[in-house]
Amino acid sequence: DGGITQSPKYLFRKEGQNVTLSCEQNLNHDAMYWYRQDPGQGLRLIYYSQIVNDFQKGDIAEGYSVSREKKESFPLTVTSAQKNPTAFYLCASSKTWRRVDYEQYFGPGTRLTVT
Amino acid sequence: AQTVTQSQPEMSVQEAETVTLSCTYDTSENNYYLFWYKQPPSRQMILVIRQEAYKQQNATENRFSVNFQKAAKSFSLKISDSQLGDTAMYFCAFMKLGLYSGAGSYQLTFGKGTKLSVIP
Repeated sequence: DGGITQSPKYLFRKEGQNVTLSCEQNLNHDAMYWYRQDPGQGLRLIYYSQIVNDFQKGDIAEGYSVSREKKESFPLTVTSAQKNPTAFYLCASSKTWRRVDYEQYFGPGTRLTVT
Repeated sequence: AQTVTQSQPEMSVQEAETVTLSCTYDTSENNYYLFWYKQPPSRQMILVIRQEAYKQQNATENRFSVNFQKAAKSFSLKISDSQLGDTAMYFCAFMKLGLYSGAGSYQLTFGKGTKLSVIP
């Protein structure tokens, strides 16, 4: 079955440590996205990538970094510079970033807890 | 910048009844898409229904339909014959359509969500 996988489902880290969240898709989608969800909030865009080796900052990129070396993979690193890293992180992908293939499909998410 | 407002943090409905969730948005754009996403307790985001702004006809997907009022910038979701499996957070989302790949094109802007509980 084609889809988006995020691992692990739950992640715990100590404050001051960098942590990388995995996102893999086998849908052959060009575009990938990272969102953050906090309680009582909608999803907010962290980073997005329209093609391999290219990515753009979203609304809340500070304290995060990404890479897009392969079409299938878009890992997100939460650095120690992120002030409030505890949140639910969702990865999404779309076939392309162009008009006709805009629908975004979401992974199951990773709950990150930093103490 | 676009904003999406969902004014009902929580709602409940009896099983088999009909419920309407409200969404308003603010934009100066003319070309855009609107979406309703469902997030059940599993937290998997699922697309419920989409509406292209250039289409006057309201979108319908089985028990789900929208009332799209472009001039009023309103995009409500109606769920008919509510089922227990409809219990979830519902998010309204806006996507600007750009002619070129630029910052902000094709990004989703979400509202804060409405928690819907279907009561047996």
